[in-house]
This record gives sequence, C-alpha cells and structure tokens, in this order.
Amino acid sequence: AQSVTQPDIHITVSEGASLELRCNYSYGATPYLFWYVQSPGQGLQLLLKYFSGDTLVQGIKGFEAEFKRSQSSFNLRKPSVHWSDAAEYFCAVGSGNTPLVFGKGTRLSVIA
Amino acid sequence: DSGVTQTPKHLITATGQRVTLRCSPRSGDLSVYWYQQSLDQGLQFLIQYYNGEERAKGNILERFSAQQFPDLHSELNLSSLELGDSALYFCASSAEQGRSGNTIYFGEGSWLTVV
Repeated sequence: AQSVTQPDIHITVSEGASLELRCNYSYGATPYLFWYVQSPGQGLQLLLKYFSGDTLVQGIKGFEAEFKRSQSSFNLRKPSVHWSDAAEYFCAVGSGNTPLVFGKGTRLSVIA
Repeated sequence: DSGVTQTPKHLITATGQRVTLRCSPRSGDLSVYWYQQSLDQGLQFLIQYYNGEERAKGNILERFSAQQFPDLHSELNLSSLELGDSALYFCASSAEQGRSGNTIYFGEGSWLTVV
C-alpha cells in the first residue's frame, strides 16, 4: 500500500537559515510526488511536483525538492527561510490521476 | 487562487443533523476529490468522482455520501453528524482521466464544527 512518512512533526528554524523537510514514500509504481503548503486557516497550495526527468525540481517561493529513488525520498529544501514560510508542509504521492496519499505534515516555525 | 470553489467556508451544526458541502472544480477539470482533515487523522481521502461517476473510494463513512452533477460540481452530504465529524473538508480537482502527471488543486476547505 502507498504511504508517505514525514518524520518531523515540528521544526523551528531561524529566519535566514536553510531548511530541509524530509519525506519518505512507499509506492508500488512510478511515483508522482508533490509538496503542498498550508498556511493557518487556508487551503493547500501546491509548491512543486515531480513526475519524471530531472530529479531536482524547482517550485514556487524559492523551494526545491530532490527525488532520490534509491532512498525513496523527496526532501524539500529552501536556502534561506523567511518568516512568511511558517506553515504546515505536506508531502504527497500518487500516480497523477488517482487520489493522493498524504503524509501527516511538518509544522514549520520561523524565529527571528 | 486555485480555481476550486467550496461553500460554505464555515458551518456550525448540532449532533444528529445533516449538512451538504458544495464544490465547484476548476474550469475544465473532470475529476473531483473530497478529503477530510482532522487533527488526529491528518488528511484522509474520502471519495473521487470523474465526469459524474464514482471512481475511487477511501475512508468514507456510510453516513457520508457524495455525487457529481452534469455541470461537474460536486456535493458531499454528511448525515447523523457526530462530534468527531468536526473537521476541515477539502475538495480538489484535476484534469481528465488518462492523462499522466495531473496535478490536483485544492479549494480552501469547509470548516465543519459539530456541537
């Protein structure tokens, strides 16, 4: 069965510091991988997605993620975090036109 | 703005009651998905419709039902509501079936509080 694990429930980083959010997946077929962000009281906004090709994908708001098939991982990174990045981040896996399976999410706090 | 519209944004109702949540997908999208987000369960897939037909079913309770109409909007009906049904209900949509690499776009959700 498909599953997504986000090992970190809550991460706190200083503004301007780098960020890496971890995501590991289990999927029987070729995975399509997504990162979504949810600000408090808001819906889910797509940050980036990986379908095929270059394993390093660029997204909105300066985020990037790297697909590593050997490690079944799709970690999200940002070189310099801004206070407005504080939110809940969700990794998801699917096949592109089937329901996504989501991780439990990682809450990011940003301190001055 | 994802283009997926959900109404109502907030809803408070009593136990035992029935409510209907409505979703308008993005223009041209034929697939609609419903998800439930709660603190203890996270984001749980409920059900998917494609062009009016049920396509996939997830952890949807028998007290819940959904449908997709000819104009492609969808409704999620929740009946005999219990306190534990309090959650944020998301609708999402994606393009036609058969295309690989579809992105699923989410609405802003409907907050349901059962008291």
